[in-house]
Amino acid sequence: NAGVTQTPKFQVLKTGQSMTLQCAQDMNHNSMYWYRQDPGMGLRLIYYSASEGTTDKGEVPNGYNVSRLNKREFSLRLESAAPSQTSVYFCASSRQQGAEGYTFGSGTRLTVV
Amino acid sequence: GEDVEQSLFLSVREGDSSVINCTYTDSSSTYLYWYKQEPGAGLQLLTYIFSNMDMKQDQRLTVLLNKKDKHLSLRIADTQTGDSAIYFCAESYSGYSTLTFGKGTMLLVSP
Repeated sequence: NAGVTQTPKFQVLKTGQSMTLQCAQDMNHNSMYWYRQDPGMGLRLIYYSASEGTTDKGEVPNGYNVSRLNKREFSLRLESAAPSQTSVYFCASSRQQGAEGYTFGSGTRLTVV
Repeated sequence: GEDVEQSLFLSVREGDSSVINCTYTDSSSTYLYWYKQEPGAGLQLLTYIFSNMDMKQDQRLTVLLNKKDKHLSLRIADTQTGDSAIYFCAESYSGYSTLTFGKGTMLLVSP
């Protein structure tokens, strides 16, 4: 059972380049999330999708866009990468927001130079 | 707004008990969680507790909740070197809200 799969695992971008981080879950979960993890800052919510067809901003949405492609897939796009977006990005999913916790992917380590 | 606070670091010897503490500000928090993150990996849900419970035990893990003081703790009995990781406390105020995470407590277990 794969759970939550994120691709790629590592990426280096130049400032101004764009890229899409992919996330897919095979647990038939309704809700999906994107977090970033920075040293000393914990996890901060970027965007989430409570259900297929809806997306909402989290704590730090600036510089990002998301697409809930279908129930399984939730992508995160950086249109013009900046060094401040250097981080580890985690996708997560849950059957229902809040209850029973989230299942996390293994992360994408992104460096913007 | 919601805020979750944790101490940043805890060091214990193998075989001892570890207690990781967390405080939260939202008195209406309904669900409280503990996650474990090993180096280079994602977060793994260890356990969670509903706000109508005071304690939950699961093998070596004991979660205690003091709602009056908004304090949550995770006790790991007979701590092993494999328990070395970052532990995150998280809360949500309903089954339909997103989770708010603390900054994590790094647990270092020495032989």
